Amino acid sequence: ETVLAQSPGTLSLSPGERATLYCRASQSVRSSYLAWYQQKPGQAPRLLIYAASTRATGVPDRFSGSGSGADFTLTISRLEPEDFAVYYCQQYGSPFFGGGTKVEIK
Amino acid sequence: QINLKESGPTLVKPTQTLTLTCDLSGFSLSTPGVGVGWIRQPPGEAPEWLALIYWDDDKRYSPSLKTRLTITKDTSKNQVVLTMTNLGPVDTATYYCALSQLAWFGEFPPLDHWGQGARVTVSS
Repeated sequence: ETVLAQSPGTLSLSPGERATLYCRASQSVRSSYLAWYQQKPGQAPRLLIYAASTRATGVPDRFSGSGSGADFTLTISRLEPEDFAVYYCQQYGSPFFGGGTKVEIK
Repeated sequence: QINLKESGPTLVKPTQTLTLTCDLSGFSLSTPGVGVGWIRQPPGEAPEWLALIYWDDDKRYSPSLKTRLTITKDTSKNQVVLTMTNLGPVDTATYYCALSQLAWFGEFPPLDHWGQGARVTVSS
C-alpha cells in the first residue's frame, strides 16, 4: 500500500509569502491520481486540487499543484490570512491521507 | 445546493455496533460518476477513508477495516448508511460523509463536498 509522506510538518510564514508543501509517495502514483485538501480547526477538509494540478471549483488561483510519479507539490503563491490551516495530500488508490503540513503564522 | 449531513450516536460502548446515516440533498445518488464516502478523523490525526458506495451500488472498503464495515444506500430517501461493528476506543473520531463527483477515478476518489462531521466517542 502506498504511503504518503508530507513535509515539512510545520511551515511558519507571514501573510504575503510563498508556501511550498511537499508530498512524497512510497511508490509511483498512477495517472497523477493525487489530491490536496485544506482543513481549518473545527471544519471538514476542503478539496483544493485533484489530478495533481487541477483546481477544484471555487479555489483561488494562488493555489497550484504540480508533480508526477512519486513527488508532488502544493504551492500557495501569496499567503492570505485565511490560508493558515493544515494541508493533506491523498492518492486515490489508498485509503490513507498524508500526515499533513500545518501552515502557521510566523 | 449540495448538502450532506451526518447523524448517529455520539457515545458508543466498546464492542457495540455503530450506525451512521448521511442525508444528502442537491444531487442524485443515481447520477453516473457519483460516489458517497465515509471518512473518519481521530482527534489530532489525519483523515482516513473508510468506505465508498458508487452510483451503481458498487462498493469499496478500506482493506484494514473491511471486515467491520458495511455501506449501503437508499436512493429513494437520498441516504447513505455506514455500519461499523465491534467498536473500540481507537474508533473514537469525527466521522464525515462526503461526495465525490469524480468517482470514475480510483478506489478512493477526490471528495468535493463534505458534511460537517459527527463526533463519536467509544467509551464504557
